Amino acid sequence: KAGVTQTPRYLIKTRGQQVTLSCSPISGHRSVSWYQQTPGQGLQFLFEYFSETQRNKGNFPGRFSGRQFSNSRSEMNVSTLELGDSALYLCASSLALDRIGDYTFGSGTRLTVV
Amino acid sequence: LAKTTQPISMDSYEGQEVNITCSHNNIATNDYITWYQQFPSQGPRFIIQGYKTKVTNEVASLFIPADRKSSTLSLPRVSLSDTAVYYCLLRDDKIIFGKGTRLHILP
Repeated sequence: KAGVTQTPRYLIKTRGQQVTLSCSPISGHRSVSWYQQTPGQGLQFLFEYFSETQRNKGNFPGRFSGRQFSNSRSEMNVSTLELGDSALYLCASSLALDRIGDYTFGSGTRLTVV
Repeated sequence: LAKTTQPISMDSYEGQEVNITCSHNNIATNDYITWYQQFPSQGPRFIIQGYKTKVTNEVASLFIPADRKSSTLSLPRVSLSDTAVYYCLLRDDKIIFGKGTRLHILP
């Protein structure tokens, strides 16, 4: 079966710009979670969506937002980019909430802010 | 809010058994303990999950004492390809990854 697809794989943006990242979950998976990974902070939870509703949110500023569509595909948006937003952004999908053992991660989008 | 603590890094040699311990003193009653493996520039990959006592699959074992305040991931006979970061994960009201343990296998 097809895995979790994240697009684009690489992205370079300038400070102050905004960016939208996309995540297509495994077919049938209804939960999508987003994470930011940096060398200093490790893997940090951004938010989780299920049935088009945000169910959990991490401790990130309001510049980070997301949404989920009826087909379970999800996007996350970062506005007014800062240098510190440079990171690997990962999404994971699962059948339902509270199914951590079912998480399948994508390969991520590497965002570089210059 | 549950948190996990793992060693930052570990070294071992090919063929050895490696044990990585995760502390989670405030684990919730309904929390399962899940371990993931991550290679560079890839997303984490599920290894094993358990609630109590011992769980074993084809790649690892997970030992959880009765008080569930810690867990130990055991990798038998490691190879160079087991060099990766290993995360211990709980489910609280938010998903909490530990900082991860960077395991380096030496020839």
